[in-house]
Amino acid sequence: DIQMTQSPSSLSASVGDRVTITCQASQDISNFLNWYQQKPGKAPKLLIYGASNLETGVPSRFSGSGSGTDFTFTISSLQPEDIATYYCQQYGSLPITFGQGTRLEIK
Amino acid sequence: EVQLVESGGGLIQPGGSLRLSCAASGFTFSTYWMHWVRQAPGKGLVWVSRINGNGAITNYADSLKGRFTISRDNAKNTLYLQMNSLRAEDTAVYYCAPQADNSGYNYFTTWGQGTLVTVSS
Repeated sequence: DIQMTQSPSSLSASVGDRVTITCQASQDISNFLNWYQQKPGKAPKLLIYGASNLETGVPSRFSGSGSGTDFTFTISSLQPEDIATYYCQQYGSLPITFGQGTRLEIK
Repeated sequence: EVQLVESGGGLIQPGGSLRLSCAASGFTFSTYWMHWVRQAPGKGLVWVSRINGNGAITNYADSLKGRFTISRDNAKNTLYLQMNSLRAEDTAVYYCAPQADNSGYNYFTTWGQGTLVTVSS
């Protein structure tokens, strides 16, 4: 199985800050990497697919980059509504696996 | 509008069985791979299983093989997950999701609201 190591596991930042989350795959997954946002009690929401493609309707302050084994997710200017847990997910090979999540809080 | 409505969750004793359903609408159900993903309380997302459009191909997380069975009824636009020999560690919210395919990219754009399965005596 491909292990997805996401860091940090939690993060506290101020409104307007630039926030970066990393995700490392245990094997090369090319760019088969998605990012999701999950708010408490809600289903996950797709933000980024194919490592760097912004899902329709998602604000442009969200972005993703990387390929192979190392990936980065960035919020360019943190907004209060971005408080959530963020997950990376690989689909390079079965089983599909997720990172352990990054809980983002407002400082 | 794409809608997914999971049902069938509840409280079940260890060793028991449960069948989850996911009623889909707003898209051509029979042409989509469908997945189950679960999330234990306070924990992360874990992929469970997938099935192709005509039901001929299924895949499972290794830890669940032999206990869980995914199936679908395209005439009813419904996805199922039969769960047997349930254990406490199967306690989770179970989500269904269609797999979007876009230029070789696969992802989950739409999720159901989830159904909670609690395995406890």
